[in-house]
Order: sequence, then structure tokens, then C-alpha cells
Amino acid sequence: QVQLQESGPGLVKPSETLSLTCAVSGDSVRSGRYFWSWIRQPPGKGLEWIGYVYFTGGTNYNPSLKSRVTISVDTSKNQFSLELRSVTAADTALYYCAREMGRTAPFDYWGQGALVTVSS
Amino acid sequence: DIVMTQSPDSLAVSLGERATINCKSSQSVLYSSNNQNYLAWYQQKPGQPPKLLIYWASTRESGVPDRFSGSGSGTDFTLTISSLQAEDVAVYYCQEYYGNTRTFGQGTKVEIK
Repeated sequence: QVQLQESGPGLVKPSETLSLTCAVSGDSVRSGRYFWSWIRQPPGKGLEWIGYVYFTGGTNYNPSLKSRVTISVDTSKNQFSLELRSVTAADTALYYCAREMGRTAPFDYWGQGALVTVSS
Repeated sequence: DIVMTQSPDSLAVSLGERATINCKSSQSVLYSSNNQNYLAWYQQKPGQPPKLLIYWASTRESGVPDRFSGSGSGTDFTLTISSLQAEDVAVYYCQEYYGNTRTFGQGTKVEIK
């Protein structure tokens, strides 16, 4: 059974960097079949794709966030990570990690989500 | 970027009745080389992550009840719940995975009338 679990600080100050990690179990991030994504959902709102990473370290980002985002993978720890720089209150959201079934494919497994609040 | 627009934003349906949700993409998500529509549907219940229901516009994910069905091609798609059950109360999202980015519709909230 594939499981994804987000972890990281729940409170980040404006202008600082949001950092989250997604631990994967029941599958290997080294699997060349899948892509590993971050998706966020502001409270009471819809879903926004942030970007994905492949096991090689290759990435693809949402153009609206690209200048502030880095997604990386650590195959030795079977996890991948999100960094979002220069955050504002608009970045307050539930952040999900998810597995994408292929290069162009839907998301079949999701973590439970990590709520990150941006506030001083 | 592709824009996904769902309608309606919310709907209330009686138990056992049909619920229909529409999704329109700003450009075609049909890939001509394999004749596949790069379109998925998700269900999100309160306090839970989204759950994949349908992909390739009409392929039901394993374990999804057959009262859920997807249809459409190109730019216009529909998710149908043939006989609404109490456990189907949720927000439903369409999502395209055609290009380099991924875009979701704004969501449709389904409630019991």
C-alpha cells in the first residue's frame, strides 16, 4: 500500500521560506514510472498544482510559482521536498504531496496534507 | 495555460437521483496520436485529500462504484453520478494533464436536497 506523509513547520513568517518534506512508503521514488508532485489548497478554496520532480532530479513547475519554488528528491531517504521562498499570507494553504501515475497522468495517491500558515 | 471551468458551482440532488457535473477546457485535451483525453475527475470529502475517480475521461479507477461515470471528448466533459448516495456528498474537481502543467477546475459541491 503506497503512503505519502507530509511534514514540516505549520507556521512561517512572511518573506521567509516554506519547507516541506514528503516521505514515501510502499513504493520507491526511484521508480521510473512515477512523478512526484506538490499541490496546495488555500482554506475553503480549490486545488493548485505547484510542480513535480522525477527521480533523476528533473522538475517542472507551475509558471505562476516558478520563480519562488524548488522541488527536490532524496532517493536515499525515499522522500521529496518543497521549498517556497518569499512567502506571503496568500501562500497559506493545505499542502499535499501526491504521486502522478506517469509523465502525463493523473494523481493516484495523495498525502493527508500539511497546513502551513504564513503569519508574523 | 489551459483553463478548466466547471458548472455548476454547486448542486443539490435528491437521494437516488442523477447528478451531472460539467467541465470545459479552454483548449482540447484530446491527444490525436493515441485518441486519449487527458482528463481526470476527483472527489474530495471534508477533511480528506482528493480521491481519483475517473481518468482518461471515462476510465473508472479501481474500487470506484459504477454509479460514477465520465464522458466527453476534446473540450467538454461530464461526470455523472447515476443514483446519488449519502456518501457521495463532496466537492468534485476535474483536472487536465495534457501539457507541461496541471490545472484543476474550481470544484463543484454536491449536496443532498
